[in-house]
Order: sequence, then C-alpha cells, then structure tokens
Amino acid sequence: EIVMTQSPATLSVSPGERATLSCRASQSVSSNLAWYQQKPGQAPRLLIYGASTRATGIPARFSGSGSGTEFTLTISSLQSEDFAVYYCQQYNNWPGTFGGGTKVEIK
Amino acid sequence: QLLLQESGPGMVKPSETLSLTCTVSGGSISSNNYYWGWIRQPPGKGLEWIGSIYYSGSTYYNPSLESRVTILLDTSKNQFSLKLTSVTAADTAVYYCAKRGTAVVTRFFDYWGQGTLVTVSS
Repeated sequence: EIVMTQSPATLSVSPGERATLSCRASQSVSSNLAWYQQKPGQAPRLLIYGASTRATGIPARFSGSGSGTEFTLTISSLQSEDFAVYYCQQYNNWPGTFGGGTKVEIK
Repeated sequence: QLLLQESGPGMVKPSETLSLTCTVSGGSISSNNYYWGWIRQPPGKGLEWIGSIYYSGSTYYNPSLESRVTILLDTSKNQFSLKLTSVTAADTAVYYCAKRGTAVVTRFFDYWGQGTLVTVSS
C-alpha cells in the first residue's frame, strides 16, 4: 500500500498570505494525485486532480504541482473561506490512499 | 448535476450490522464509467476507503474490512448500499458515499454525499 504523508499537520496563516502544503508518496504515483478541501461538518470537496488540474468551479488561487512522489498545494492569497483541512489522495495504485491531512488555521 | 444522499440509522448497537443506502440522482448508477463507493471518517480523524462497486456488480473492499463488508447495487432504485457486520465502537464514523471514474487517471472522488454519522453504542 502506498503511504501518503502530508506536512505540516497544522499551518497557521494570516488572511491574504500564501499557504504551501506538501504531500509525499512512499512510491511514485505519477501525476495521479488529488487534493480535497474539507470544512467542519461538510464532505470533502475535490479541488485538484491530475496533480495540477483545478476541478470545476475552483478559484484560480488554488494551484497544484508535482509528480512522482512530491506534491504541493498552494493557496496564493488565503481567503476566510479557505481555512479548512486539506487532504491529498493518490489514485495511481488501487484503491487509492489518503494522506492524514493538513489543517490550515487562522494566524 | 449529480447528487448523492446517504440514509440509514444513526445509531447501531455493538455486534450488530450497520446498514446504509446511497441514493443517486442526476445520473445513472448503471454507467460503465464509474465506481460507486463508501468512505468513512471517524470523529476528528482522516478518511478511510471502505469499498467500491462497479455497475456490473463487481466489488472491491478494503482488506482491513473485507470480512465484514458487503456493497450492493439496486439499479431499479438507482441506489447502492453498505452493510458492515459485527460493529464495534471503532466503527463510529461519518460515512460518505462517493463516485469515482474507472480509468486510472479519473479515479479521484469527484462527487460526494453529505455524509451521515453512525454511532456504535449500546
């Protein structure tokens, strides 16, 4: 099973600042990597797939990069609605595995 | 717009069977392009894939749960279901139903239900 490791566990950021979240795979997953955002009491929402393609309706301030084993989600200028938990998921190897999440909180 | 909605009891007694249904609207579960699946999230913890089912009825389960899980399709009602037997407190979680594609490059979860909390308690 591929293990997905996200860092940091918690990221404290001021509104308007940039946030950079990392996700590492224990072996190559090519570009088959998705990012999800989850707010309290809500289901996860797909943000990014294919490591860098924004899902429908996702603002341009969200961007993804990386391939192989190292991936990054960048939120260019944090808005109040962006404070949430973010999960990465590899889907290169069935059934796909999730990272433990990064909580982005207000500094 | 595809919508998924979970339904079922919010509380189950230890050793009994957890049963949930996911009703899909805005699309057919008989499509050969999708897997339909269940994911759970214990309170305050991360996401765990439980299993998936294909329109043909082929099923795929998390090895850690395989001995206790059954996922079935009901194409007449456009629903799929989850049964988890012999539950314990460790099965307390929010249960989500979700859709993913079949091709490797589409196997992310793009549609999710709102989730339903199931508590295992006597």
